[in-house]
Amino acid sequence: EAGVAQSPRYKIIEKRQSVAFWCNPISGHATLYWYQQILGQGPKLLIQFQNNGVVDDSQLPKDRFSAERLKGVDSTLKIQPAKLEDSAVYLCASSSTWGEGELFFGEGSRLTVL
Amino acid sequence: QKEVEQNSGPLSVPEGAIASLNCTYSDRGSQSFFWYRQYSGKSPELIMSIYSNGDKEDGRFTAQLNKASQYVSLLIRDSQPSDSATYLCAVRNTGKLIFGQGTTLQVKP
Repeated sequence: EAGVAQSPRYKIIEKRQSVAFWCNPISGHATLYWYQQILGQGPKLLIQFQNNGVVDDSQLPKDRFSAERLKGVDSTLKIQPAKLEDSAVYLCASSSTWGEGELFFGEGSRLTVL
Repeated sequence: QKEVEQNSGPLSVPEGAIASLNCTYSDRGSQSFFWYRQYSGKSPELIMSIYSNGDKEDGRFTAQLNKASQYVSLLIRDSQPSDSATYLCAVRNTGKLIFGQGTTLQVKP
C-alpha cells in the first residue's frame, strides 16, 4: 500500500514570495491533516479535512495560508506572502476514519524562507 | 497553559536502562492518547496508543495512562542506541490530534 505522498521535499524562497505544497493521502483515507513543525517543536495542526470539507482550521493563519482538498483526495497548502517565521516542515497526514485510528504521515516538505 | 506538555530534555540514559518519558494534558475530555517517535529529519511514526486507564505493553514499550491525573507516560525497557530520537506525546479530543513539543532521548552505548 502506497504511503502519504508529499511534494516538494524542499523549497527555498524569499520572504513575500508564495509557495504551494501538495499532498496525496493513502487511498481511501477520508481524513487529511496539515501540520506545521518548527525546528525543536512538536507538530502544530493547521487544518483538518474530512473528505472535501474543513473540520478544523482554527490555527490556520488565514491572512496568508490557504488550503483546499478538491474531490476529497489530493490537497494543496499555499502560503502567500511568506514570512521568515514560516520556515518549518509542513507535514501531511491521513487517517481512515475521522476522530479515530492512527495518523500516517508523509515525509514532509521543508520550507526555508530567506 | 499548553494543551499537551512534555519536558523537552534531553533525557540521557545508558544502554540497557529503562527510559521514562512523561506527558500531561489539560483537557479532561480527551479520549485517546498516542506516543510517536521521530528520528531527526524524519516524520513521526506511531509506536503506542492507549485509550483506558492502566498499562499497555508492546514489546519493550509500556504506555501508562492516568486520566484522573491527566498524565500519560512511556517506559522503554532495555534501551538501545537505536531508540535515540524525539518522542512525541499526542492527545485526541473531538477528532483533533494535538502534539506536545517532544522529549529528546539519548541512549549512550
